[in-house]
Amino acid sequence: KAGVTQTPRYLIKTRGQQVTLSCSPISGHRSVSWYQQTPGQGLQFLFEYFSETQRNKGNFPGRFSGRQFSNSRSEMNVSTLELGDSALYLCASSLDRITNNEQFFGPGTRLTVL
Amino acid sequence: GQQLNQSPQSMFIQEGEDVSMNCTSSSIFNTWLWYKQDPGEGPVLLIALYKAGELTSNGRLTAQFGITRKDSFLNISASIPSDVGIYFCAGQLFPSNTGKLIFGQGTTLQVKP
Repeated sequence: KAGVTQTPRYLIKTRGQQVTLSCSPISGHRSVSWYQQTPGQGLQFLFEYFSETQRNKGNFPGRFSGRQFSNSRSEMNVSTLELGDSALYLCASSLDRITNNEQFFGPGTRLTVL
Repeated sequence: GQQLNQSPQSMFIQEGEDVSMNCTSSSIFNTWLWYKQDPGEGPVLLIALYKAGELTSNGRLTAQFGITRKDSFLNISASIPSDVGIYFCAGQLFPSNTGKLIFGQGTTLQVKP
């Protein structure tokens, strides 16, 4: 069974630009969560999607948004990039967030904002 | 916001030694998960715990869900060089049933052959 895949793996952008990251969950998994990982703040929850609906959102500004498609694939978008947005963005999928919250992570997308 | 206090922050041990790390919080958790992350990769799930007092093993790894539901520990027995990495605890708050996980700050483990 294929794991969680994320594209692209690496990305370099400049301040003010916008970026879209993609995540394909494990087959059969309907819940997708996004996290930001930085050396200073560690792993911080961004948002979670289940059946194309955002079910929970972390404490991030509105520049961070996401969506989920009918095949459970998810994208996140960051608009008006700032230097502080440089981070590893991780996507995780789980089978059923209510009865089984075992989340499996992808390799991440390393975003560098110059 | 809710926080998980993970300790120790780092460990440097000799191959063959046992390792212990733990996470504590002032909040109650439904679920405790332990992950290992290698450089440039995403976290890999090691052990999942769902009941207070639960003790679960995965090879040389053993983890427990604290009775108070506010803490968890991970033990690694007879460490080997490939155990090197960053270990994270993560929890799902009670009574939430969403997918949000709160992570500890991580324990960096280095093993000397």
